[in-house]
Amino acid sequence: AQSVTQLDSQVPVFEEAPVELRCNYSSSVSVYLFWYVQYPNQGLQLLLKYLSGSTLVESINGFEAEFNKSQTSFHLRKPSVHISDTAEYFCAVSGGFKTIFGAGTRLFVKA
Amino acid sequence: NAGVTQTPKFRILKIGQSMTLQCTQDMNHNYMYWYRQDPGMGLKLIYYSVGAGITDKGEVPNGYNVSRSTTEDFPLRLELAAPSQTSVYFCASNLDRSNTGELFFGEGSRLTVL
Repeated sequence: AQSVTQLDSQVPVFEEAPVELRCNYSSSVSVYLFWYVQYPNQGLQLLLKYLSGSTLVESINGFEAEFNKSQTSFHLRKPSVHISDTAEYFCAVSGGFKTIFGAGTRLFVKA
Repeated sequence: NAGVTQTPKFRILKIGQSMTLQCTQDMNHNYMYWYRQDPGMGLKLIYYSVGAGITDKGEVPNGYNVSRSTTEDFPLRLELAAPSQTSVYFCASNLDRSNTGELFFGEGSRLTVL
């Protein structure tokens, strides 16, 4: 069985400041790791994913996440956030047919 | 390009009523899923399907039923609505057999049971 823990339910941060959203997972099998973003009143959209190879993966809008197998973590980072990054972010793990999501972290960027 | 389409977007039910949430996708994806989203709880998998005629339970299947008669459609049925089923429901689909690919989500259906 797999599980995902997002350690922060809400993260307030000022515009242009760095941010880290934390995610830990557990699984008895090899998994694939994802971050999804949800803007208000919308469905989830894929932000980035780790399948294999380089442990650092990047999105087109400046986010990056690093897979750490020894710590079973997949934290999401951005060096400088914008107001438009305000959204809820979900870490997810898949293995087999199912994708399991964490509880979500609400990122609130303040001017 | 419609992607994943869910109807209705909003619905209010009385306790004990039944209804069906519709989901259709036009991407020829074999894998389809129903999730419910509750505040602070993330998304919980209700049911999933790996192809027409094949469905299986997820984490929270009680009180729901599904069918998959075609590749495109994956309706979710609530037989006896209860207040605990007040939630936002998301349908999603995935092409990739190994589930390494992106899940495509509909815009959600907000259900309130009073």
